[in-house]
Amino acid sequence: EAQVTQNPRYLITVTGKKLTVTCSQNMNHEYMSWYRQDPGLGLRQIYYSMNVEVTDKGDVPEGYKVSRKEKRNFPLILESPSPNQTSLYFCASSYRGGAPETQYFGPGTRLLVL
Amino acid sequence: QKEVEQNSGPLSVPEGAIASLNCTYSDRGSQSFFWYRQYSGKSPELIMFIYSNGDKEDGRFTAQLNKASQYVSLLIRDSQPSDSATYLCAGFGGTSYGKLTFGQGTILTVHP
Repeated sequence: EAQVTQNPRYLITVTGKKLTVTCSQNMNHEYMSWYRQDPGLGLRQIYYSMNVEVTDKGDVPEGYKVSRKEKRNFPLILESPSPNQTSLYFCASSYRGGAPETQYFGPGTRLLVL
Repeated sequence: QKEVEQNSGPLSVPEGAIASLNCTYSDRGSQSFFWYRQYSGKSPELIMFIYSNGDKEDGRFTAQLNKASQYVSLLIRDSQPSDSATYLCAGFGGTSYGKLTFGQGTILTVHP
């Protein structure tokens, strides 16, 4: 089954404790992206990757890191989480970056930073 | 100014009516536009995308793009209660190739 998986789905952590949210897709997609969703603000892109070893900043990259060492995985790293990073996070992928019309979203990760 | 702005809503329409959702964008270089539907607690799902000026129809949905006015809309004909969701407009490309920028979303409620 074609899918984007994220882990964990729910996470409660404390300020400053490094964490990683994993994202994996099994569709051989070139384009992957991370978003955060906050009430009234819609989805905001954090980082995106057009292909392996190619990443670029979205609208809200501060406080986040990503890497794309393999095509299928695109982890999101919070080196020192803060309460303002409490949010719902979505990973997404599409076949190619030129036109993400078939963008598949993962199920979301709900993060609470205390 | 936000790069992609949607009519704030919430929007409420009776069953069977036409729901009209609107979106404006500021980056003239944006190449394509997308409408996503998101049910509460779920992931967004793509409804339609549009690249060219004019209308694009798919079943009960029609997307309209006017690049001169930097305006995108989504019409839902014969609205059903199951259409009740948040609708997200997004623009792709522009000054940052590969970037996808979403509007803040419009909550649509279709009442029986």
